[in-house]
Amino acid sequence: GDSVTQMEGPVTLSEEAFLTINCTYTATGYPSLFWYVQYPGEGLQLLLKATKADDKGSNKGFEATYRKETTSFHLEKGSVQVSDSAVYFCALIGGSQGNLIFGKGTKLSVKP
Amino acid sequence: DAGVTQSPTHLIKTRGQQVTLRCSPKSGHDTVSWYQQALGQGPQFIFQYYEEEERQRGNFPDRFSGHQFPNYSSELNVNALLLGDSALYLCASSPGRGVGNQPQHFGDGTRLSIL
Repeated sequence: GDSVTQMEGPVTLSEEAFLTINCTYTATGYPSLFWYVQYPGEGLQLLLKATKADDKGSNKGFEATYRKETTSFHLEKGSVQVSDSAVYFCALIGGSQGNLIFGKGTKLSVKP
Repeated sequence: DAGVTQSPTHLIKTRGQQVTLRCSPKSGHDTVSWYQQALGQGPQFIFQYYEEEERQRGNFPDRFSGHQFPNYSSELNVNALLLGDSALYLCASSPGRGVGNQPQHFGDGTRLSIL
């Protein structure tokens, strides 16, 4: 079945460092891809999405490009802030299904 | 514009009991999905409701059941609670069913603890 694999965390960075969180997927057909963020004690917030190959999703300085040839959707940010500390989830919706399939999440801690 | 709202925020139950969790979708959304998030894990899909019927179901036993009302709000019921049911239960809503490029909007969840 469809699945998402994320890099293991936690990831600890200094403020203004470059961030990459790797995400690869397995799916039949052409899934839509998402990154969600979860701050402590809260639900999930949609960070960005891409719905077809070569699409780039972006929001709040974060970017991810839908790479069909490598089945990847890596999350990047050029300069992280302390306020970016959270858990990041890569997810997909495959085919005609309406449910999200999530990776296990990557915890990011940014130190001042 | 209110987003997805869930109640209660926290709940403590004992093994064998039954629990009902509630969700009101974001305005304009007619599809509600429920997810279980165990500590340190990604959310797992339980089921999805649209037009008051269960349309899709994940790999959860039939102790987990649900309902959707005409105003699109939804309930999740869990019977015969087990220790392993302790988790954050998340409700998500979206406009339309099976439209993969429509993002789901999540509530803050109900933290269920089983003693």
